[in-house]
Amino acid sequence: DIQMTQSPSSVSASVGDRVTITCRASQGISSWLAWYQQKPGKAPKLLIYAASSLQSGVPSRFSGSGSGTDFTLTISSLQPEDFATYYCQQANSFLFTFGPGTKVDIK
Amino acid sequence: QVQLQESGPGLVKPSQTLSLTCTVSGGSISSGSYYWSWIRQPAGKGLEWIGRIYTSGSTNYNPSLKSRVTISVDTSKNQFSLKLSSVTAADTAVYYCARDGSPNLGYAFDIWGQGTMVTVSS
Repeated sequence: DIQMTQSPSSVSASVGDRVTITCRASQGISSWLAWYQQKPGKAPKLLIYAASSLQSGVPSRFSGSGSGTDFTLTISSLQPEDFATYYCQQANSFLFTFGPGTKVDIK
Repeated sequence: QVQLQESGPGLVKPSQTLSLTCTVSGGSISSGSYYWSWIRQPAGKGLEWIGRIYTSGSTNYNPSLKSRVTISVDTSKNQFSLKLSSVTAADTAVYYCARDGSPNLGYAFDIWGQGTMVTVSS
């Protein structure tokens, strides 16, 4: 199985801050990586696919980068609606696996 | 646009079989090169992919659950279903159905149901 790790596990930030979340795969996954945002009681929402492609309708303040084993999700200017938990997910093999999540909360 | 809705019992007894159905609306389950997945999330924990099905009936399962999981599809009803046998308390979770995006979307899960809570308890 490909294991996914994320750091940090949580981050406290203020509106307007730049936030960066890192995801690492236990083996190379090319660019087969997605990022999701999940708010309490809601289903995850796709933000980024193929490591750096912005899903339709997602604000441009979200961006993704990386390939191989190391990936980042960046929120350029944190907005109130961005406080949530963020998950990465590898799609390199059909045994899809998710990272443990990064909670972004209010400082 | 395409929407997904899970349905099924919210309470299942230990050792019994959990059965859920996902109904696809706003489009045909057979259109496009999509797989249809089940994903679960225990309270306060992360996401675990259970398995997926193509409309041809081809399936892939998480090896950790494979011996207990069956996913099937009924294209006439625009539905796909999950059966998880011999459940224990560890199977208590919110269960989501999701569309496994095409290669154009990097096989990401682009559409999700709202989720349904299943509790395993006697």
